[in-house]
Amino acid sequence: TQLLEQSPQFLSIQEGENLTVYCNSSSVFSSLQWYRQEPGEGPVLLVTVVTGGEVKKLKRLTFQFGDARKDSSLHITAAQPGDTGLYLCAGVGRDDKIIFGKGTRLHILP
Amino acid sequence: NAGVMQNPRHLVRRRGQEARLRCSPMKGHSHVYWYRQLPEEGLKFMVYLQKENIIDESGMPKERFSAEFPKEGPSILRIQQVVRGDSAAYFCASSARQGMSNSPLHFGNGTRLTVT
Repeated sequence: TQLLEQSPQFLSIQEGENLTVYCNSSSVFSSLQWYRQEPGEGPVLLVTVVTGGEVKKLKRLTFQFGDARKDSSLHITAAQPGDTGLYLCAGVGRDDKIIFGKGTRLHILP
Repeated sequence: NAGVMQNPRHLVRRRGQEARLRCSPMKGHSHVYWYRQLPEEGLKFMVYLQKENIIDESGMPKERFSAEFPKEGPSILRIQQVVRGDSAAYFCASSARQGMSNSPLHFGNGTRLTVT
């Protein structure tokens, strides 16, 4: 069974600080997606990474896919209150099934 | 902006009643996925449908749960004889093509089911 572990589960930091959240697995994925979910809403896709070692930037967010395509990280620079939300990683397996992690709940304090 | 539409947003049912959750995919999307989310949990896959076909229902309980995506109209997730443990947020997502790698999921805002 493919599992995705996200860490930390909860993170509360001050506005302006930097942070990194992680998504780890013992399984290889053909691609990995990151979503952000706000209370009362559905997840919204932020990025898809496909190639081992790939780095993608979305303004202050930097996403990296591990060389072995088993793990990924999301780094946020100078966090803002608008970054608050639940960040979910989702791995796409060889069978094209998508597996979600439990998420990192991020709270940015103004 | 014709995104994925789910209704109702909130649904309260007593134990033993039936719950019907509806999902209209994005325009042009013919692939629909249903997920369940409990508080502090990730999204758990339930079922994947294309028009008039169930492609993968490996995540759906064998009893009381069923799903359909008719040729016309929305996809329906039906839960019969609901129990308290069915209380959760149910999300529908749609995509344009088969294959998660090629076609990202677009999620609705979910139906929050409460069983009293």
